[in-house]
Amino acid sequence: NAGVTQTPKFQVLKTGQSMTLQCAQDMNHEYMSWYRQDPGMGLRLIHYSVGAGITDQGEVPNGYNVSRSTTEDFPLRLLSAAPSQTSVYFCASSYSGILNTEAFFGQGTRLTVV
Amino acid sequence: KQEVTQIPAALSVPEGENLVLNCSFTDSAIYNLQWFRQDPGKGLTSLLLIQSSQREQTSGRLNASLDKSSGRSTLYIAASQPGDSATYLCAVKGSGGGADGLTFGKGTHLIIQP
Repeated sequence: NAGVTQTPKFQVLKTGQSMTLQCAQDMNHEYMSWYRQDPGMGLRLIHYSVGAGITDQGEVPNGYNVSRSTTEDFPLRLLSAAPSQTSVYFCASSYSGILNTEAFFGQGTRLTVV
Repeated sequence: KQEVTQIPAALSVPEGENLVLNCSFTDSAIYNLQWFRQDPGKGLTSLLLIQSSQREQTSGRLNASLDKSSGRSTLYIAASQPGDSATYLCAVKGSGGGADGLTFGKGTHLIIQP
């Protein structure tokens, strides 16, 4: 019962460094998405994908890139980390982004940019 | 733009009480509403999913209702236990035509006193 798996769980970056947050799901879900959670702000959508080869921007996409080469994986890339990107990042998946389907979340990646 | 509000922001009650958490949303054009539980430092666990055509859903001691026309949902927890202590998040999936993600409230932080 792996569900949605995120790695790493914790990461500290220096300003300007790049890194990739990994997300994998084993439920054959078409729809995957990335959120960030900040105190007092709730969860906000960064990017999403409705299937392999298709991605789109959410509410707060600046500073992040995504790609979807397989159904299972949806990595989130920070090209040049900034302190404003200190946050907890969650990956989610569901059967469809439009139909009435339940969303499943990973355990999160806690990122600190110094 | 959809906005989701959860009241109260925090709640502390003695064990055994029945309690109600409230969620309101500004745009009634939704596909579904989902209640999540988040434990400190952990991911989101889906509790209940209510589709737009439904009025309520039940799972064990939890009952969630949806009044789409008034933009309201409630999560009822019966016979609360210390293990219910967590943050409860409400999220709606809009039917605006795009496959974008969920819009979250900021959560209700619940403490059940033994």
